[in-house]
Amino acid sequence: KNEVEQSPQNLTAQEGEFITINCSYSVGISALHWLQQHPGGGIVSLFMLSSGKKKHGRLIATINIQEKHSSLHITASHPRDSAVYICAVRTGNQFYFGTGTSLTVIP
Amino acid sequence: DAGITQSPRHKVTETGTPVTLRCHQTENHRYMYWYRQDPGHGLRLIHYSYGVKDTDKGEVSDGYSVSRSKTEDFLLTLESATSSQTSVYFCAISEQGFTDTQYFGPGTRLTVL
Repeated sequence: KNEVEQSPQNLTAQEGEFITINCSYSVGISALHWLQQHPGGGIVSLFMLSSGKKKHGRLIATINIQEKHSSLHITASHPRDSAVYICAVRTGNQFYFGTGTSLTVIP
Repeated sequence: DAGITQSPRHKVTETGTPVTLRCHQTENHRYMYWYRQDPGHGLRLIHYSYGVKDTDKGEVSDGYSVSRSKTEDFLLTLESATSSQTSVYFCAISEQGFTDTQYFGPGTRLTVL
């Protein structure tokens, strides 16, 4: 049973394209996180949100609590955006993670 | 970058041997976490700590124990390692718990033969 599902699992895009990664969850949550895992393995937190929308540079994250769904958008994608993007939700004192979306941006 | 280090970074051991992984932080954050990452499963929470000597179990705690005797150090122990514990282990920290940004360490790759 996966509490968090991400789609697509793999995504290849041309440089400059608009990218959307989706996250659906099945549990009641108090927060949702988007993480980025670099090819070398390092993990960086991108966003933490509990409602609405957040923007940081070319990255935008949205969440719809009623529909139990979040999206991560990347505008004007660049090869340096190539990474695995991971959605995680907090419910109670537990954290559940999606298996990630592997993004490759081709120059 | 948040000051988080993990040691060792790589370890190969044999089934049945004890293993201890160390996470060290210089940020004075209250919360510390241990995760494992496996293909097809993503990251899974093993144990976490919300203060010195205060710890609790995560989703996959069986076969693991933890200790936190100082704010800066969080130890993960495999009392008797098994091949199913071959994984990449990540430590993370946060100031205010699960609704706060987490900062991750570089990871430890553990292989149990």
